[in-house]
Amino acid sequence: SQQGEEDPQALSIQEGENATMNCSYKTSINNLQWYRQNSGRGLVHLILIRSNEREKHSGRLRVTLDTSKKSSSLLITASRAADTASYFCATDAGTGGFKTIFGAGTRLFVKA
Amino acid sequence: SAVISQKPSRDICQRGTSLTIQCQVDSQVTMMFWYRQQPGQSLTLIATANQGSEATYESGFVIDKFPISRPNLTFSTLTVSNMSPEDSSIYLCSVVLGLAGEQFFGPGTRLTVL
Repeated sequence: SQQGEEDPQALSIQEGENATMNCSYKTSINNLQWYRQNSGRGLVHLILIRSNEREKHSGRLRVTLDTSKKSSSLLITASRAADTASYFCATDAGTGGFKTIFGAGTRLFVKA
Repeated sequence: SAVISQKPSRDICQRGTSLTIQCQVDSQVTMMFWYRQQPGQSLTLIATANQGSEATYESGFVIDKFPISRPNLTFSTLTVSNMSPEDSSIYLCSVVLGLAGEQFFGPGTRLTVL
């Protein structure tokens, strides 16, 4: 089964609002990464957070990680129509290797 | 980050034929990965391609169906053999860079099998 599971599966908001997506995983990890995918194209790497980090920022993105709950959240502030995309979390297998396991993704729709 | 290119970007193929997808990276990387993304689904790892050794396949994927080449540290190919409509997917190559293990993806190859 997949390591990462995002929720919600789909999210529709107005431009300017904040969007929060959550990700849960099952086993211990070394890091967790968030990606954006527009219309079935390649994945854009957004942010990597290590297991010893609790929060990380990049522009309008804020990622938190709670290893005790095995969960992470991605917050997009002041959303724009261009943020409309699918967002995936991905975790390593936690075994020291580089195998990355993806969640099912959240489809975000930002209405102008 | 890395600049990763894939060829072709898309193709429409007939059942029973094979397609080879190329992946080129602008820096030398030890491991390259091939993923499949079926319509409306998430990504599934097909195999890990190490230079100088056989690719390592994930459960459900076999070398006869998805042969992989890794002739050098910047290039890899994935062949989808004896295609059927169920192989219609986006195929993405990926590399891991840096000590933190950031993973970057190519733009993908959208394959449609008729």
